[in-house]
Amino acid sequence: DGGITQSPKYLFRKEGQNVTLSCEQNLNHDAMYWYRQDPGQGLRLIYYSQIVNDFQKGDIAEGYSVSREKKESFPLTVTSAQKNPTAFYLCASSIDRGDRGHYGYTFGSGTRLTVV
Amino acid sequence: AQSVTQPDIHITVSEGASLELRCNYSYGATPYLFWYVQSPGQGLQLLLKYFSGDTLVQGIKGFEAEFKRSQSSFNLRKPSVHWSDAAEYFCAVGANSGGYQKVTFGIGTKLQVIP
Repeated sequence: DGGITQSPKYLFRKEGQNVTLSCEQNLNHDAMYWYRQDPGQGLRLIYYSQIVNDFQKGDIAEGYSVSREKKESFPLTVTSAQKNPTAFYLCASSIDRGDRGHYGYTFGSGTRLTVV
Repeated sequence: AQSVTQPDIHITVSEGASLELRCNYSYGATPYLFWYVQSPGQGLQLLLKYFSGDTLVQGIKGFEAEFKRSQSSFNLRKPSVHWSDAAEYFCAVGANSGGYQKVTFGIGTKLQVIP
């Protein structure tokens, strides 16, 4: 079945560490996204990528980095510069129709990151 | 810039009762509108979407939503709620932004279903 796989489901980070969250999709979608979810704040966009080897900052990119070397993969690194990384991280993908809109996101099941 | 308001943070309904979740948006042109559902600890699932055409949109799991331009609303409805509908519901609006469609989510409405 086609879908998005996020791993790990739970991740613990020590102060000063960088950690990488994995996101893989087999939907053949061009566009991929990373969102952060905090209670009472909805979803906030961290980074997005519309094609391989290209990505753009979202609304809260500081302290995060991404890469898009393959169409299927869009890993997110939470760096030590991110001061409050404890959150639920969601990866999504969509068919990219540029400014003609899209059909909606397919989401992964998320990674819960906790600073210890 | 677009915005989304979900005025109800929590809603409690009895099983079998009807449901309406409110969503208001702000955007200058015709927006793309979405409703998503999220079970605890899981990702979001797309319930339905509106792009154009018929303003009453049918989705999965027996949900529907109606786009009302005059009220800038896109309320989600279900005639009879089941216990399995207990979840958090997010309204989202998409708007064109320089070759990319930016999607903004509301803060969510948590639905509790009582027997």
